[in-house]
Amino acid sequence: DGGITQSPKYLFRKEGQNVTLSCEQNLNHDAMYWYRQDPGQGLRLIYYSQIVNDFQKGDIAEGYSVSREKKESFPLTVTSAQKNPTAFYLCASSSAGGSSYGYTFGSGTRLTVV
Amino acid sequence: AQSVAQPEDQVNVAEGNPLTVKCTYSVSGNPYLFWYVQYPNRGLQFLLKYITGDNLVKGSYGFEAEFNKSQTSFHLKKPSALVSDSALYFCAVRPWNTPLVFGKGTRLSVIA
Repeated sequence: DGGITQSPKYLFRKEGQNVTLSCEQNLNHDAMYWYRQDPGQGLRLIYYSQIVNDFQKGDIAEGYSVSREKKESFPLTVTSAQKNPTAFYLCASSSAGGSSYGYTFGSGTRLTVV
Repeated sequence: AQSVAQPEDQVNVAEGNPLTVKCTYSVSGNPYLFWYVQYPNRGLQFLLKYITGDNLVKGSYGFEAEFNKSQTSFHLKKPSALVSDSALYFCAVRPWNTPLVFGKGTRLSVIA
């Protein structure tokens, strides 16, 4: 079945560490997105990529980095510069070519700083 | 700037009663509007979308939404609520060729 796979489901980070969240899709979608979800704040856009080897910052990109070397994969690195990384992270993908397409979401990764 | 407002953090409804979850939007040009549902510790699932045409849009699980251009609203509705409808609901708008902008979400609680 086609879909988006996020791993791991739960992740624990020590202070000062970088961690990488995985996102893989087999939907042949051109565009991929990372959102952060905090209680009462909805979803906030971190980074997005509309084509391989290209990506743009979203509203809260500071302290995060991404790469898009393959169409299927869009990993997110949470760096030590992100001061409050504890949150639920959601990856999504969509077809390119217009705004009438919605997103397909992964099941999320819950990151906790210990 | 494009934005979505969901004025209610929480909506409570008795099972079997109709439900409405409110959404208003602000966008330049024609709006592309979406509703998603999220169950605990899960990703978002698509419910329905408005692109153009009929103002009443029917979606998954018996949900529908009414687009009202003059009131810039896109309220989600269901004629008869189920306990299993209890979840977090997000309204979103997609400006032309840019990422979805989400509201803050409304928690729906259906009481048996």
